[in-house]
Amino acid sequence: DAGVTQSPTHLIKTRGQHVTLRCSPISGHKSVSWYQQVLGQGPQFIFQYYEKEERGRGNFPDRFSARQFPNYSSELNVNALLLGDSALYLCASSPVGGDSTNFNSPLHFGNGTRLTVT
Amino acid sequence: RKEVEQDPGPFNVPEGATVAFNCTYSNSASQSFFWYRQDCRKEPKLLMSVYSSGNEDGRFTAQLNRASQYISLLIRDSKLSDSATYLCVVNGNFGNEKLTFGTGTRLTIIP
Repeated sequence: DAGVTQSPTHLIKTRGQHVTLRCSPISGHKSVSWYQQVLGQGPQFIFQYYEKEERGRGNFPDRFSARQFPNYSSELNVNALLLGDSALYLCASSPVGGDSTNFNSPLHFGNGTRLTVT
Repeated sequence: RKEVEQDPGPFNVPEGATVAFNCTYSNSASQSFFWYRQDCRKEPKLLMSVYSSGNEDGRFTAQLNRASQYISLLIRDSKLSDSATYLCVVNGNFGNEKLTFGTGTRLTIIP
C-alpha cells in the first residue's frame, strides 16, 4: 500500500511569493494534518482536517491556509513567504480525527516538502 | 515552560551501550504518548507508543509516569543503526488532531 505522498519534494521560492504544497493520505485515511519543522526543532502543528472540515489550527499566521478535497487529499498554501518559512513541511494522515476510542492511533508522515525561501 | 521538554543531547555512546532518554510534558490532560525516530533529512517515523504500564519492543523499553508527567525511552545493546534523533511526542487533545513534539535528542552510536 502506498504511504502518505507529498509533492513537490523540494521547492525554492523568493520572499513575497506564494506556495502550494500537496498531500495524498494513505488510502482509507480521512484525516490529514500539516506540520512545519524548522531545522533543529521538532515539528510544529499547523492544521488538521477531517472529512473536509478544519478540526484544529496551530499558532500560525493567516498567511497559512489549507483545504481538504473530497478524495481526502489536501493542500497547504502559504502566501507572502518570509525567510522564516523555510522548513520541512510534513503531512500526516490518520484513520481517525475525533474518535475518542482511538487515542493511541499514531500519525503516519509523508516524506515532506523541503521549502527554501531566499 | 515548553509543552514537551527533552534532554538536549547530543548523546554519543559506544556501540553495545545502554542509553536512556527522558522527557517531561506540561499538560496533565495529555492522553497519548509516543516516541518517534527521525533520521537526518527524513520524516519522523513512529518508534513506539508509550503505555501507562510500560512497554517493551525488543531492545527498546518505554515508560510513562503520569503523576510526574514523565516519559522515558531505554535502548539496550545499542547498534550503529540506532543513530538518529529521537522525538518525544504527546497528544493532549481529543483524538490525535494535534501532536506536540519535543525538540528531539540526537543520538550517535560510536563504533
